[in-house]
Amino acid sequence: EDKVVQSPLSLVVHEGDTVTLNCSYEVTNFRSLLWYKQEKKAPTFLFMLTSSGIEKKSGRLSSILDKKELFSILNITATQTGDSAIYLCAVPLSSKETSGSRLTFGEGTQLTVNP
Amino acid sequence: DAGVIQSPRHEVTEMGQEVTLRCKPISGHDYLFWYRQTMMRGLELLIYFNNNVPIDDSGMPEDRFSAKMPNASFSTLKIQPSEPRDSAVYFCASSLGTVASGELFFGEGSRLTVL
Repeated sequence: EDKVVQSPLSLVVHEGDTVTLNCSYEVTNFRSLLWYKQEKKAPTFLFMLTSSGIEKKSGRLSSILDKKELFSILNITATQTGDSAIYLCAVPLSSKETSGSRLTFGEGTQLTVNP
Repeated sequence: DAGVIQSPRHEVTEMGQEVTLRCKPISGHDYLFWYRQTMMRGLELLIYFNNNVPIDDSGMPEDRFSAKMPNASFSTLKIQPSEPRDSAVYFCASSLGTVASGELFFGEGSRLTVL
């Protein structure tokens, strides 16, 4: 069965710490993996990964994909209180009913950064 | 562009009442998605449209839920009759291409409370 699993589900750190969030997947016909950040409202896009070993970076955030071991990690260095959010991993899964694909989200990691 | 626009932002209703949620996608986006988010189940895809045509509605919980997209700039999600277990945040999202190739842009959500 196709699935997307994130860990940990919850994480509390202090400002300045570095965190690593995990996303593992089991997908038929893998095409891409996406990371989103959700603060109080809507999820906002962070990264899309399609190739193994190529790091995507944006400021203090970076992400990498391992297609052999079927996982991705999201790193945040020098965390700030503004990084507190739910971080969601998502993978397009082939729809059983149609030829399309459904973007399926993991449960998310609730990150809390304390001052 | 103003982004994906949803209304109402908040809705409180009583069990048995009809609820209609509305969405205006980003102009030019071919795909429109309805998601539901709860603490227990995370973000779940309910249905998505491509060029106004429903492609996959396998996530719609039951016959009480229906969705329409009469034109490229408007979609509705209707619940009739509503039940307390329908309480959730309902997100609409749109994208320019398939989910495998690009990001989804989310609206700010409609928070539904059914008493």
